[in-house]
Amino acid sequence: DQQVKQNSPSLSVQEGRISILNCDYTNSMFDYFLWYKKYPAEGPTFLISISSIKDKNEDGRFTVFLNKSAKHLSLHIVPSQPGDSAVYFCAAGLRGTSYGKLTFGQGTILTVHP
Amino acid sequence: NAGVTQTPKFRILKIGQSMTLQCTQDMNHNYMYWYRQDPGMGLKLIYYSVGAGITDKGEVPNGYNVSRSTTEDFPLRLELAAPSQTSVYFCASSGGSGNTIYFGEGSWLTVV
Repeated sequence: DQQVKQNSPSLSVQEGRISILNCDYTNSMFDYFLWYKKYPAEGPTFLISISSIKDKNEDGRFTVFLNKSAKHLSLHIVPSQPGDSAVYFCAAGLRGTSYGKLTFGQGTILTVHP
Repeated sequence: NAGVTQTPKFRILKIGQSMTLQCTQDMNHNYMYWYRQDPGMGLKLIYYSVGAGITDKGEVPNGYNVSRSTTEDFPLRLELAAPSQTSVYFCASSGGSGNTIYFGEGSWLTVV
């Protein structure tokens, strides 16, 4: 039972345009969500997070939107740059002593073309 | 500026062999984790620790053991390696609830 799903294995975008990566979850107990970026042969690096009490969080070119009723979150990258080409994972977790016990999606490969 | 350091980066094991993946962090984080990533899949939690002397199972603990004798180190032991343990292993740490989780660069393990 996959509790966090990224249904698009890949996304291709032109430089300067918007990239929208999507993620769905099934467990209503999740109370925070994160996006990680991963380059080949490297570990995931934290990008942006959002608490379940918010519906939007912005950090520079990156914005995460959370729709709790739909159990859906998305990451918007505007404008997209070739250096953004990587695998993007969404992850969900619970606070308290369970913090860091993240449930990850399968990842979406983003390719930004110059 | 080390962060989370894992060794070895690559290893080939024969079926039935044992080995230890080392992980150390220099950020004085209480929480440490081991995840594995299979091809085309997300990361799955193997074991985690909320402090020295305290460990607990994650989602996929079978075939692994951990210990946490110091704040800095969190080794992962594979006993009787099996082909199903061929994967990329990531160690991670965080300062506690609400803090960013930092990952190491990964250890590629192949069991043949």
